[in-house]
Amino acid sequence: DAMVIQNPRYQVTQFGKPVTLSCSQTLNHNVMYWYQQKSSQAPKLLFHYYDKDFNNEADTPDNFQSRRPNTSFCFLDIRSPGLGDAAMYLCATSRVRGLAEAFFGQGTRLTVV
Amino acid sequence: SQQGEEDPQALSIQEGENATMNCSYKTSINNLQWYRQNSGRGLVHLILIRSNEREKHSGRLRVTLDTSKKSSSLLITASRAADTASYFCATSTDSWGKFQFGAGTQVVVTP
Repeated sequence: DAMVIQNPRYQVTQFGKPVTLSCSQTLNHNVMYWYQQKSSQAPKLLFHYYDKDFNNEADTPDNFQSRRPNTSFCFLDIRSPGLGDAAMYLCATSRVRGLAEAFFGQGTRLTVV
Repeated sequence: SQQGEEDPQALSIQEGENATMNCSYKTSINNLQWYRQNSGRGLVHLILIRSNEREKHSGRLRVTLDTSKKSSSLLITASRAADTASYFCATSTDSWGKFQFGAGTQVVVTP
């Protein structure tokens, strides 16, 4: 049974048109992460939540925002996608910050046209 | 910034052979984890090794950690075609506990 679910698996958006990616979890984990992964590169941390505490990486562009309305759901909003934002976006959860394994969703592949 | 660097970048072996890949990092860590990623998919956790541990095993996987050298290795024994994937190390370094990934090693196992 899927424990971290990302929707949609594939998303095509127009240049400059806001887009939202979603992530839900059934693990009741306190920590949720969003990573961006470009082709043949390492996943790059964008932000993470510890409960409702939001932690933004210093180099995450302002174009990227996130919401976590409750424990189970987390959203990634890209306000004005550019061609350089085309990537795989990975959501992950963890019971404890950095001290336990992370469970990843299957990712959302974002294409910007 | 990237904390871990992996070596080699790519590895091609035949079924039955062992595969070894290494991860070096720059700063002291709380723990180090290894993940596998099949093409176009999410990451799957393999092993977590804490900074006070030196070796862990899980099935055909063996992970070592040398904190004096700031390095870790992942050994896959008796490899199978299904082991074909990219393998990433991830280190947890700060009080927030977030972890950062290395660049990964792409492993291809041919029948």
